[in-house]
Amino acid sequence: ETGVTQSPTHLIKTRGQQVTLRCSSQSGHNTVSWYQQALGQGPQFIFQYYREEENGRGNFPPRFSGLQFPNYSSELNVNALELDDSALYLCASSLSYEQYFGPGTRLTVT
Amino acid sequence: AQSVTQLDSHVSVSEGTPVLLRCNYSSSYSPSLFWYVQHPNKGLQLLLKYTSAATLVKGINGFEAEFKKSETSFHLTKPSAHMSDAAEYFCVVSEGYSSASKIIFGSGTRLSIRP
Repeated sequence: ETGVTQSPTHLIKTRGQQVTLRCSSQSGHNTVSWYQQALGQGPQFIFQYYREEENGRGNFPPRFSGLQFPNYSSELNVNALELDDSALYLCASSLSYEQYFGPGTRLTVT
Repeated sequence: AQSVTQLDSHVSVSEGTPVLLRCNYSSSYSPSLFWYVQHPNKGLQLLLKYTSAATLVKGINGFEAEFKKSETSFHLTKPSAHMSDAAEYFCVVSEGYSSASKIIFGSGTRLSIRP
């Protein structure tokens, strides 16, 4: 166990809806990264937050947004859901280069 | 720009035989390299990491990997496969050593173990 938790475990949404996914970092980790893992593929970097500021972003549209809170927990928000957003969403917390991953949230968009 | 290529999408070996999962990388800087394992419905677990120290890196569960700069490779090996090794394996490259360093995942190799 890495100490990183995510909620919910599974989620089903309808196209066009909005969703919020949550991540609780390992204690003391000030950086959180979010990844999207489509079925049969490797995780793709969405963005990273360091001390509540966005610190890098992958090739994802602005409808993917995030927040990091003072206690270093984090949210990933996705607006205007599309069918292709169906995936496993992973968060990872870190203090240095080594990232500790949570179990993920599986999002299904119908 | 950095990238990572896992040369096999699926590898199948018999229990007790050696495992070889191949990974090539491209990086403009001295990279950090990692191997992660993902069991079904589980999170990603770090197997081992290379961060410019010894080129032969030993990890958990008997796995090891060798960093070969001349070949830009970081292949994962295990002398004797166990049924519990069946999982998806990801090679990962990171430029830099800080928490802000961007990391890139390979597309994964699914390892199957035959009884």
